[in-house]
Amino acid sequence: VQLVESGGGLVKPGESLRLSCVASGFTFKDYYMTWIRQAPGKGLESISYISFGSRDINYADSVRGRFTISRDDTNNTLFLQMDSLTVEDTGVYYCARDGWGVKDYWGQGTRVTVSS
Amino acid sequence: EVVLTQSPATLSLSPGEEVTLSCRASQSIRSNLAWYQQISGQPPRLLILGAFTRATGIPARFSGSGSGTEFTLTISSLQSEDFAVYYCQQYDSWPPGTFGQGTKLEI
Repeated sequence: VQLVESGGGLVKPGESLRLSCVASGFTFKDYYMTWIRQAPGKGLESISYISFGSRDINYADSVRGRFTISRDDTNNTLFLQMDSLTVEDTGVYYCARDGWGVKDYWGQGTRVTVSS
Repeated sequence: EVVLTQSPATLSLSPGEEVTLSCRASQSIRSNLAWYQQISGQPPRLLILGAFTRATGIPARFSGSGSGTEFTLTISSLQSEDFAVYYCQQYDSWPPGTFGQGTKLEI
């Protein structure tokens, strides 16, 4: 199992980023997937998840209305579209395979910095 | 929302010692608790699921116990690579599940 995130970077407040997570080594379409972020020096926050078939999607209050999760099962890729970014969105963003609640595999993370 | 409280926030120990970390849930989560280890600069790694089942490849010195609202992670004979931050996470109320705030083990 391998998860590889990309798309992070330095942006200004109000700008957008799109994160990607390419999965391999398992049947991607059969799993829930989750985005988890970690602010500098802080703990882990689950910010969004998407079910197999994309029927069940949800967001943490901190990102609802600004972030959009999606998946492309043909290309085994998970996405996170992040709009209206604020400095509070700064951190490392991890994608994780979600095995009925257990985050059993994690990517290495992609760093997002929001600063003027 | 289920709130997980980990204690203590930081522990200072020496290699070879045994340590027990605590995680308390604000309501019963049965045995739906996982533990993760995060070494500085790395992503978290799953250690324990179902409160006491070691994940694949996790050494036997890691053991989990508890059910309901009280859980512990014990590491016997600390190795240098065990000094890290440990998070508990409940998945009884899933999705999405919630994480504790972490316990840092330092030398």
